[in-house]
This record gives sequence, C-alpha cells and structure tokens, in this order.
Amino acid sequence: DAGVIQSPRHEVTEMGQEVTLRCKPISGHNSLFWYRQTMMRGLELLIYFNNNVPIDDSGMPEDRFSAKMPNASFSTLKIQPSEPRDSAVYFCASSTGTGGSPLHFGNGTRLTVT
Amino acid sequence: AQSVTQLDSHVSVSEGTPVLLRCNYSSSYSPSLFWYVQHPNKGLQLLLKYTSAATLVKGINGFEAEFKKSETSFHLTKPSAHMSDAAEYFCVVSDAPGSSNTGKLIFGQGTTLQVKP
Repeated sequence: DAGVIQSPRHEVTEMGQEVTLRCKPISGHNSLFWYRQTMMRGLELLIYFNNNVPIDDSGMPEDRFSAKMPNASFSTLKIQPSEPRDSAVYFCASSTGTGGSPLHFGNGTRLTVT
Repeated sequence: AQSVTQLDSHVSVSEGTPVLLRCNYSSSYSPSLFWYVQHPNKGLQLLLKYTSAATLVKGINGFEAEFKKSETSFHLTKPSAHMSDAAEYFCVVSDAPGSSNTGKLIFGQGTTLQVKP
C-alpha cells in the first residue's frame, strides 16, 4: 500500500500564477478530502468528494480555488490566480467513506506564493 | 452539530513521565472519535480510533484513550513519554453516524506536545 501520494512536495510561485496540486488516493477508497493547514487557522477542510462527486465545497475560500476528481485515482486542487495569503500546506486525504472510517493523509504540498 | 475541544494548546512533559492530552467532544449521536499525530513536515497519522466498541482504546506507540460518555471526554494518555513523541496531536470526531457514507471529520485545534530530556 503506497498510501496517499501528493505532488509536488514543495511549490514556490509568484503572485498571479496558476498553481495545480495533485493527489492520488489509496486504491479502493471512495472518499477524498482536501485540507489546508496554516499557523493562524490550523487545519481547514476545503472540499471533499464521495465516489468522485463533490459533496461539500463550503470550505473553498474563493472562486480562485477549484477542485476536480475526474476518476477514482486522481484529484487536483487548482488556484488561479494565486495570492501570497494562499501560502500554506495543502493536504489530501482519503478514506473508505463510512462515518467511522479514519482518514489516510498524504505528506502534503507546501505552497509558497511570493 | 458535532465539535471537539482540545483543552490545552501546549503540553510539556519530561521524558519518562506520563502524558495526558485532553479532549472533550459534543455530538448528537454516538460518535466516532479519533486521535491523529503530526510530526514536523509530515502528514497526519492515525494513532487510534473509537467506534462504539470497547471504551478503552489502544493505539500505536503505546498511546491509549478512554471514551467517557458521562464526561463527553476522550483523553489521550501514555504511561511514559519518549523524545520521539514530540509532535502535534489532534482530537477528531466524525460528523456522521457510522452507517453514513459521508465520513466528514471535525478536527480540534491541536495540542503541541513537548518532551524535555
């Protein structure tokens, strides 16, 4: 089991550029979650999918953020245009989807927007 | 609505002494509860989970937690701290009954555990 795989591990970009974060969930997991972690706000749920369908995107901060899950093994989180306040660690996690099932996290993408 | 409150933002212990990280929850039904640990520059890792079976749950690395419904608590303990236990710990509650397929988790604000030599 390779776990949840995120890429890239680090991303440094200039304000205004488009950023795409990628995630491969654990095979067989049908729920996928995108979180953002900062010192100020802690861990925030941005959006989650169940069976590739977005269920709750109320945590997505602005229209600049979008997420897709075209198939069961791949998801992207896109920020366009990026701003310095988007700097954070972005985590992807997956689970089997039942209410009592734990999340399995990737190692995160550290995004720095200058 | 479900919620969790971690009562301490920072806990400092000496190596070899007991660890207690406190968590209280609020839930309108029998909850699923979890503790996660995050080491620096790493993702979160599941320590243990409670899903309405035994109230005393044993996890990895010698940690355990006890579900106390009367106190709405799920405190994390370890008899003897090790330097490698220094990390951020999160108490988590599921927002859905066990039979639901939404599986959204509610995270506490985290407790930083410092272990002094």
